[in-house]
Amino acid sequence: GAVVSQHPSRVICKSGTSVKIECRSLDFQATTMFWYRQFPKKSLMLMATSNEGSKATYEQGVEKDKFLINHASLTLSTLTVTSAHPEDSSFYICSASRRTGSSYEQYFGPGTRLTVT
Amino acid sequence: QKEVEQNSGPLSVPEGAIASLNCTYSDRGSQSFFWYRQYSGKSPELIMFIYSNGDKEDGRFTAQLNKASQYVSLLIRDSQPSDSATYLCAVNVRSQGNLIFGKGTKLSVKP
Repeated sequence: GAVVSQHPSRVICKSGTSVKIECRSLDFQATTMFWYRQFPKKSLMLMATSNEGSKATYEQGVEKDKFLINHASLTLSTLTVTSAHPEDSSFYICSASRRTGSSYEQYFGPGTRLTVT
Repeated sequence: QKEVEQNSGPLSVPEGAIASLNCTYSDRGSQSFFWYRQYSGKSPELIMFIYSNGDKEDGRFTAQLNKASQYVSLLIRDSQPSDSATYLCAVNVRSQGNLIFGKGTKLSVKP
């Protein structure tokens, strides 16, 4: 399978600060990456679709000014949680889409656990 | 509204038995079908994908697809306690790679 990394794996920050999470596809190029969040014992929730070289597409209810996404290269997408609050504490997971023939396979990074104090 | 439905479980099977996980989807235009395994506190891991009707086998795992019935399943033979996890069914309905996920079925394999 393909390898996707995420950094940092865990971060604790104070309320009001910003946190940047990096997602990298290590052995393939990904024109599309996805950002999810997951609360304990809950389902994955798609936050946004990140397209290389263009603006991200956000899902309904996700504030684009709070969750800034940049997909500057074919192997890197970043999510910045701005002015973080305790309710932003969650497990953030990225995934990268790899084209295989006429289909696409999506591979997940290991996730970033964010705790806002 | 494109939907992927899974029984949330928990599905409990004894060690060595066959675990059968089921998934239905609503969009007939769905093209590709995926099974992910997610251990508690970890991110999902792709374990199987299937594009054509029929069965696809990989080790102890078999994915089955029936597009006419809009049904995809995952069989795990000789289940092990280490197979205990939540299994997510996902469907690709567009060419860009966006997946629609089911809510997952929690599998528990008892020693």
